[in-house]
Amino acid sequence: AQTVTQSQPEMSVQEAETVTLSCTYDTSESDYYLFWYKQPPSRQMILVIRQEAYKQQNATENRFSVNFQKAAKSFSLKISDSQLGDAAMYFCAYIPNNNDMRFGAGTRLTVKP
Amino acid sequence: DTGVSQDPRHKITKRGQNVTFRCDPISEHNRLYWYRQTLGQGPEFLTYFQNEAQLEKSRLLSDRFSAERPKGSFSTLEIQRTEQGDSAMYLCASSSFRQSTGELFFGEGSRLTVL
Repeated sequence: AQTVTQSQPEMSVQEAETVTLSCTYDTSESDYYLFWYKQPPSRQMILVIRQEAYKQQNATENRFSVNFQKAAKSFSLKISDSQLGDAAMYFCAYIPNNNDMRFGAGTRLTVKP
Repeated sequence: DTGVSQDPRHKITKRGQNVTFRCDPISEHNRLYWYRQTLGQGPEFLTYFQNEAQLEKSRLLSDRFSAERPKGSFSTLEIQRTEQGDSAMYLCASSSFRQSTGELFFGEGSRLTVL
């Protein structure tokens, strides 16, 4: 079975500080994709960042970066210079070989002004 | 707007009634997914289509649930004889099989409340 685990139900960060959200996954596949999605309250899920498993280089999108450790099956999200608009549920997701996407339970991020 | 659209956004129904949700994917996307999300949880996979073919169904999709995508464009998700446990947000997403990144594009969801 392929599962995604987010061990932090809630996280809090001070505005302008850095926070890291954790994610581990379980798979027997060698080729897959990993994602972080953001879901603001009562709003739709939007993609934050993606990582292809065959790429060793960690993905970066502006203030968002990942630490991808393939052997450890770990995929953490770092948010730098946190902003009030970053407050949301963050979901780690995994998709093997272009099949269906599986999600973790999510981490609720609060940003304190 | 060329995003994924879902209708209705909210549905309140009495236990035992049937409900139907509609999803219109991004026009050039040939894959369409249905997920269920309960409060404080991540989306749970229900089923997905490639064009009009339903390729995978989760065990979560009981006999009371049926999904269709008759012409490979919009899709409907019907729940028959609703139960209180069906109360959830039903999310639709689409993607392009040719797209190498696997990203799903989500609609805003249809929230179901069963009284």
